[in-house]
Amino acid sequence: GDSVTQMEGPVTLSEEAFLTINCTYTATGYPSLFWYVQYPGEGLQLLLKATKADDKGSNKGFEATYRKETTSFHLEKGSVQVSDSAVYFCALTPNRDDKIIFGKGTRLHILP
Amino acid sequence: ETGVTQTPRHLVMGMTNKKSLKCEQHLGHNAMYWYKQSAKKPLELMFVYNFKEQTENNSVPSRFSPECPNSSHLFLHLHTLQPEDSALYLCASSQSIQGAGTEAFFGQGTRLTVV
Repeated sequence: GDSVTQMEGPVTLSEEAFLTINCTYTATGYPSLFWYVQYPGEGLQLLLKATKADDKGSNKGFEATYRKETTSFHLEKGSVQVSDSAVYFCALTPNRDDKIIFGKGTRLHILP
Repeated sequence: ETGVTQTPRHLVMGMTNKKSLKCEQHLGHNAMYWYKQSAKKPLELMFVYNFKEQTENNSVPSRFSPECPNSSHLFLHLHTLQPEDSALYLCASSQSIQGAGTEAFFGQGTRLTVV
């Protein structure tokens, strides 16, 4: 079945460091791909998305590119801030199904 | 304001109590979801409603009973819960369109503690 695998956390970085959180997926057809972020005490918020191969989603300095050849959607940011500390979820929606499939989440700690 | 409102934000209940969680969305969406988020466990999809019809029940125990009276409202009725049911319960909604990049909008969750 369809699934999402993302790197285990927690990930701890210093402020202004480069961030990569890996995400790979298994799906038939052409899913849409998402990154969601959950700040402490809050629900999940959409961070960015991409709906077809080679699309790049971006928001708040974060980027991810839909790579069909490697079935990946890695999240990157060039210079992280303390305020980026949160849990990040990679997710997909299959092409003809509204069900959203989430990865297990990666907790990110940014140290000042 | 995400457009999805959950009440209450916090709930403490005994194992013999009956309570309900409420979710309301003002986004015109047709699909609504209940998720359970426990510490150190993956996000668990519990129920999916599409156009008020339940389309998914992920082997959830019967002590959790969902209700979707219309596309804007979703309830989760709770009775005779166990301490391991303590978690953050998240409601979400999305527009039901096949093949689109259907993103979900989440409420802030209800933090449930069963004592």
